[in-house]
Amino acid sequence: GAGVSQSPSNKVTEKGKDVELRCDPISGHTALYWYRQRLGQGLEFLIYFQGNSAPDKSGLPSDRFSAERTGESVSTLTIQRTQQEDSAVYLCASSLGRGVANTGELFFGEGSRLTVL
Amino acid sequence: QKEVEQNSGPLSVPEGAIASLNCTYSDRGSQSFFWYRQYSGKSPELIMFIYSNGDKEDGRFTAQLNKASQYVSLLIRDSQPSDSATYLCALNTGRRALTFGSGTRLQVQP
Repeated sequence: GAGVSQSPSNKVTEKGKDVELRCDPISGHTALYWYRQRLGQGLEFLIYFQGNSAPDKSGLPSDRFSAERTGESVSTLTIQRTQQEDSAVYLCASSLGRGVANTGELFFGEGSRLTVL
Repeated sequence: QKEVEQNSGPLSVPEGAIASLNCTYSDRGSQSFFWYRQYSGKSPELIMFIYSNGDKEDGRFTAQLNKASQYVSLLIRDSQPSDSATYLCALNTGRRALTFGSGTRLQVQP
């Protein structure tokens, strides 16, 4: 597709369950980012991929969070044993080049809204 | 201290007025600065970036950077109701991902 695609768009789960969120970046974009946005808040950095490796995973809030990327394309963010505080919109973005491209243009997907009951 | 500080607003301006959005940051090593716009329920989109001290104009938008005072601002001239959105300040501190502020909500009253 032309843009960054994320699925599911909405996910409601029970506390303690595991969830997987998927991101399909723009074709050819080597850098991929996951951010979290709680209601009324700014974007909280989670993890950055360059190709299939993650040189910066400093934003992952706990060991319940993990992410992988394969084929320098699709990425999956997994949250194990979900808690209510995990409720947020999880945004994926991609960009050309290494790290943040000179223009700083991150192309965002529409996000996955996670609600933990 | 947060790395990027923005007044959450809402900032309310009448149609046709100038909207002034401000952002301060703590890391003097920050190299480049960005303004993203986020409509309610949508994802952010880049509207301006600035690297050097001074002003940068793009249509109705002007970004202003003062590295000595560690602030960056966005001016929107001739504000339109369609400009109503949350404006996110972001910067590159040398990490490989942008650091975002919490955003300022702008309301342009018709």
